[in-house]
Amino acid sequence: GAGVSQSPSNKVTEKGKDVELRCDPISGHTALYWYRQSLGQGLEFLIYFQGNSAPDKSGLPSDRFSAERTGGSVSTLTIQRTQQEDSAVYLCASSAYHSPTGYGYTFGSGTRLTVV
Amino acid sequence: QKEVEQNSGPLSVPEGAIASLNCTYSDRVSQSFFWYRQYSGKSPELIMSIYSNGDKEDGRFTAQLNKASQYVSLLIRDSQPSDSATYLCAVPNQAGTALIFGKGTTLSVSS
Repeated sequence: GAGVSQSPSNKVTEKGKDVELRCDPISGHTALYWYRQSLGQGLEFLIYFQGNSAPDKSGLPSDRFSAERTGGSVSTLTIQRTQQEDSAVYLCASSAYHSPTGYGYTFGSGTRLTVV
Repeated sequence: QKEVEQNSGPLSVPEGAIASLNCTYSDRVSQSFFWYRQYSGKSPELIMSIYSNGDKEDGRFTAQLNKASQYVSLLIRDSQPSDSATYLCAVPNQAGTALIFGKGTTLSVSS
């Protein structure tokens, strides 16, 4: 596609429920990232996928968070048993380069998650 | 753990003035540096990258890098109200697998 596509754009869920957030990167981009941005806070790295390599999960805040990337393209971030502190904007980004930290990357428009 | 520090602002400048945004980072091995702009309610967009000491100019934007001082800045000349946004500085993490972002500086340009 022309840009990084994320869905849904907004999600309101009850505390304790599971949610799935989807990211469709720019076609051909091998690197894919998930970040989250809480109100008044900076961007927090969550997870990184590069091609068929094992993902870098070092930023996931707890074992309630998981992500997968199927076929080297679409990625799903799953949050189990959501808590109010999970409320944030979840941003996906992708890059065409093997070393995306050398070139920066393109963000999607994000999913605003609200846990009530 | 690397850290990226930015003054949160807000930085207020009149239209036509030069806005100077600053960023410091905690380690000496970073090789690439980025500035992102984020409008309220929108996602960040890449506006500048810099890899070597010195200045890099792109239109009204100039990025300045001083690796010895672990300092990178962004100058916006002839500031416009449309430049009002939060500016995020980013550097690679130690593993080189992801960018670490500062919390950003909010710029307000008044007409």
